[in-house]
Parts: sequence; C-alpha cells; structure tokens
Amino acid sequence: DIQMTQSPSSLSASVGDRVTITCRASQGISNYLAWYQQKPGKVPKLLIYAASTLQSGVPSRFSGSGSGTDFTLTISSLQPEDVATYYCQKYNSALHTFGPGTKVDIK
Amino acid sequence: QVQLVESGGGVVQPGRSLRLSCAASGFTFSSYGMHWVRQAPGKGLEWVAVIWYDGSNKYYADSVKGRFTISRDNSKNTLYLQMNSLRAEDTAVYYCARDSRRLQLTDAVGYWGQGTLVTVSS
Repeated sequence: DIQMTQSPSSLSASVGDRVTITCRASQGISNYLAWYQQKPGKVPKLLIYAASTLQSGVPSRFSGSGSGTDFTLTISSLQPEDVATYYCQKYNSALHTFGPGTKVDIK
Repeated sequence: QVQLVESGGGVVQPGRSLRLSCAASGFTFSSYGMHWVRQAPGKGLEWVAVIWYDGSNKYYADSVKGRFTISRDNSKNTLYLQMNSLRAEDTAVYYCARDSRRLQLTDAVGYWGQGTLVTVSS
C-alpha cells in the first residue's frame, strides 16, 4: 500500500508569512492528490484537488503543486483564519489514504 | 444545498456490532461516490471506505477490511456502514462524505457531514 507522509508535523509562523507544507507518497500517484483544511472543532474542507486545482470559493493565497511523489501546499500570506490542521490525501486508486496532518498556528 | 446527516453512533461493547446511516439531500445521490472517514479523539483523519456511485465497487482501509461493510440505497438517498467485531481502536467520529464531482470512479472528497461519535468500550 502507498503511504503518505507530511512535513513538518507542525509549524508556527507570523501573519503575512509564506508557509509551505510538503506531502510525499511512497509511490507515484500522478496528480491524484487533494489538500484539506480542518479548523479546530470543525469539519474538514477541501482546498485543492488534482494537486493544483483550487476548489471553488477557496482564497487564492492557497496553492498546490507537484506530481508523482512530491507535493506542496503553499499559503502565500498567512492569515489568522488559516490556523488549522492541513491534510493531504491520495485518491489515485481504491485506497484514499490521508497524510498524518500538519498543524499550523500563528507565532 | 448539499446535506449529509449521519446517525447511529453511540456506545457499544467490544466485539459487538453497530450500523451507521447517512441521509443525503440537495444533490443527485446516485451520481456520486460516497465515503466514510473517521477521526479518533485528538487524532488525524483516517479514510475508512468508499462505494462507487452505482454501488458496483467498494473498497476498504486495511484496518477495517473484513469487519466493516459499506453499502448504499440509491432509492432512499442513504449510505450505510455496518461495523462488526468492533474494537476499542474503532472509537472515533465517523464522517459521511461525498465525492467532489459526479460520476467519477475516484475523486477527492468535496462535502462532509457533521459526523457521529462511536465509542467502543466495556
């Protein structure tokens, strides 16, 4: 089975900072990669699918890139409302495995 | 708008069974793949199972394979998860979730229910 890893597991950054989260698949998954945001006490929300396509209504400060095994989620200018845990998920095959998550907070 | 409402959670003893339901509305249920995703208290998301929009294929995480069964009734707009031989490690909030786009064989999860808590404890 393909394993998903994320780094870092947590980060603290200042408002306005550029933040980058990495997701790695143990085998190639083409661009079948999604990113989700889960704010404390809330349901997860789809941010990006197909590695780089922004879901409708998601602010343009969020972007995704990558293909194959290495992917990144970038927040171009961190805002207070972006405090959340971010998860990647592969969906290239039957098993839709999530990464372990990256917790983002404000310094 | 899209609504997914889970029910059936509760406290159950180890080794027993429980069936979760998810009532869907606001979209053409029979056109979307559906998932169950769970989240143990204070932990990350764990994908559990998926069923294709027409019910023709079902896939499971290794942690639940052989114990859990996902099914759907497109005439009732309802998704189910039959959970047998429950273990303490199955304790989690269980989310019903819908594919982002219609008629896909595989897709990201676009909508989530509010979840139902399952606690496995003696």
